[in-house]
Amino acid sequence: SQKIEQNSEALNIQEGKTATLTCNYTNYSPAYLQWYRQDPGRGPVFLLLIRENEKEKRKERLKVTFDTTLKQSLFHITASQPADSATYLCALEPPGTYKYIFGTGTRLKVLA
Amino acid sequence: DAGVIQSPRHEVTEMGQEVTLRCKPISGHDYLFWYRQTMMRGLELLIYFNNNVPIDDSGMPEDRFSAKMPNASFSTLKIQPSEPRDSAVYFCASRGKGWGADGNTIYFGEGSWLTVV
Repeated sequence: SQKIEQNSEALNIQEGKTATLTCNYTNYSPAYLQWYRQDPGRGPVFLLLIRENEKEKRKERLKVTFDTTLKQSLFHITASQPADSATYLCALEPPGTYKYIFGTGTRLKVLA
Repeated sequence: DAGVIQSPRHEVTEMGQEVTLRCKPISGHDYLFWYRQTMMRGLELLIYFNNNVPIDDSGMPEDRFSAKMPNASFSTLKIQPSEPRDSAVYFCASRGKGWGADGNTIYFGEGSWLTVV
């Protein structure tokens, strides 16, 4: 079945380190992939979009890569801070559907 | 812009009762989505509309669920009768036109937390 998987349920890292989150998908050939952040009790909030012809995208301390051969996206937070603690979701839109499919999410905790 | 507005934020109801969740999308957005989020299943798409017309309702779990969008600024998700397994957070989201970065982004409301006892 078509699915999007994200690594581990929870990821704990020390403040200042780089957090790396993984998003793997099967049976899709998306034109782009998105990453969202979700805080407890809140709705997901868009962070970054990367297109299939972009290998890497950066925004401040965030970096996203997109490997269409591996069907994988990596999401990096450099110099992580406790305020980065949240659940991070990847999402893609199967071409021609307008249906955004979300991954299972990775809960990140940055320890002070 | 006020963003996507959902009501109620929290609802506790008894099994068998009708539940109506409401959503006001961002003005000018022509796509509206209803999602359900649970710990077990994550964020699931239930149904989406384009220009007030339901396009894909394949995610609606069963006939007890129905959704309407009578105009561009209002949508409802109704559960009748409700069951304990319907307990979840229900999110409404909207998306604008076009294919720029904003056109591909969906904006979520804060969710409606439903508990059916």
